[in-house]
Amino acid sequence: NAGVTQTPKFQVLKTGQSMTLQCAQDMNHEYMSWYRQDPGMGLRLIHYSVGAGITDQGEVPNGYNVSRSTTEDFPLRLLSAAPSQTSVYFCASRPTGLGGNTIYFGEGSWLTVV
Amino acid sequence: GQQVMQIPQYQHVQEGEDFTTYCNSSTTLSNIQWYKQRPGGHPVFLIQLVKSGEVKKQKRLTFQFGEAKKNSSLHITATQTTDVGTYFCAGPRTGTASKLTFGTGTRLQVTL
Repeated sequence: NAGVTQTPKFQVLKTGQSMTLQCAQDMNHEYMSWYRQDPGMGLRLIHYSVGAGITDQGEVPNGYNVSRSTTEDFPLRLLSAAPSQTSVYFCASRPTGLGGNTIYFGEGSWLTVV
Repeated sequence: GQQVMQIPQYQHVQEGEDFTTYCNSSTTLSNIQWYKQRPGGHPVFLIQLVKSGEVKKQKRLTFQFGEAKKNSSLHITATQTTDVGTYFCAGPRTGTASKLTFGTGTRLQVTL
């Protein structure tokens, strides 16, 4: 049972480079989201999706794009990396309906922008 | 905007001592969830509270949801080294069930 899978686990980027963080879940969850966690801080919502073809912005969407072409996948794109985007990124999913508030997190992607 | 604060930010206890973290929201919450994150790990769901004044227990952990549904607490009795980590509360943003606002977290360190 894979759950929520994120790749890569670690990445170093140069300022201005672009990249995509991959996220896949095999639980047929409608809702998926991306959070970032900075040292000593809580999690801040970047973007989320309530189903295939539907995405919306969270608290800190600037500099990031998402798409949701399938139920399983929810990639996060950094358009032009900046040092301020150095962070740990967590993808998460949850079912909708009864019991739909429990969020399942991936193991995280550590990103450093130099 | 909605804010969820937790106190304390950090607590260091001796194994066997009790520990409590408090979560306070600036707005009324329809429910509150608690997560634990081990060092270097990812948040793991612990529990959800929905009703005003609700109390739930999981072994040594006791969770409470305030009467006004704006605050919550997590109490650990007789801490163990396996309790080490950061504990987060989270509640839905006002007007939407789709966005969770996470608290600032309380980091617990337990030593022998």
